[in-house]
Amino acid sequence: AQKITQTQPGMFVQEKEAVTLDCTYDTSDPSYGLFWYKQPSSGEMIFLIYQGSYDQQNATEGRYSLNFQKARKSANLVISASQLGDSAMYFCAMREGGGGSQGNLIFGKGTKLSVKP
Amino acid sequence: NAGVTQTPKFRILKIGQSMTLQCTQDMNHNYMYWYRQDPGMGLKLIYYSVGAGITDKGEVPNGYNVSRSTTEDFPLRLELAAPSQTSVYFCASDRRLFTDTQYFGPGTRLTVL
Repeated sequence: AQKITQTQPGMFVQEKEAVTLDCTYDTSDPSYGLFWYKQPSSGEMIFLIYQGSYDQQNATEGRYSLNFQKARKSANLVISASQLGDSAMYFCAMREGGGGSQGNLIFGKGTKLSVKP
Repeated sequence: NAGVTQTPKFRILKIGQSMTLQCTQDMNHNYMYWYRQDPGMGLKLIYYSVGAGITDKGEVPNGYNVSRSTTEDFPLRLELAAPSQTSVYFCASDRRLFTDTQYFGPGTRLTVL
């Protein structure tokens, strides 16, 4: 079963508008972390934002925020005031707190965001 | 401030050739990882290491070998290259805490013809 699901293969957003990228996850471990990464066309993986399972508040980092709905097991990334440089692939990932292979990072298939001028 | 470095950046191999992808980190992380990323897809774990001398298989280990003789280095070996191994390979390291991100190298783009 998919542990991380990103249902939007591609999305378009107008420059300066906000956009939400969806991510749902599946785990029975009470301790886990959720991560979002950006991969521009140059190929590098850039860490954007983190949300822990015990965090009471939604994470924010500049124009990035994470809409964390624990009961729904969703961790959507919100980008405010989109810029042309935000055009990239975005990956949601999860790491469980258990030992062994549970500590590995599991990635979704990604969402390709295109920002239109 | 190097972080995770990978060499080479690009490589073209012929079917049946062998090569080693190099990965070095200078953050004193015990945990290191190798991923492959096929076009339009997410990252899939090939192998990981929890410390010098200890490695374990990930999701897609077939056709690859690894070794970890030092904390800093985690090379990935392809013994008999096949077209199915055409991919972008990322090395990463971390402290393996669910509160911590992984730190990725810049990637190696490998083509097998």
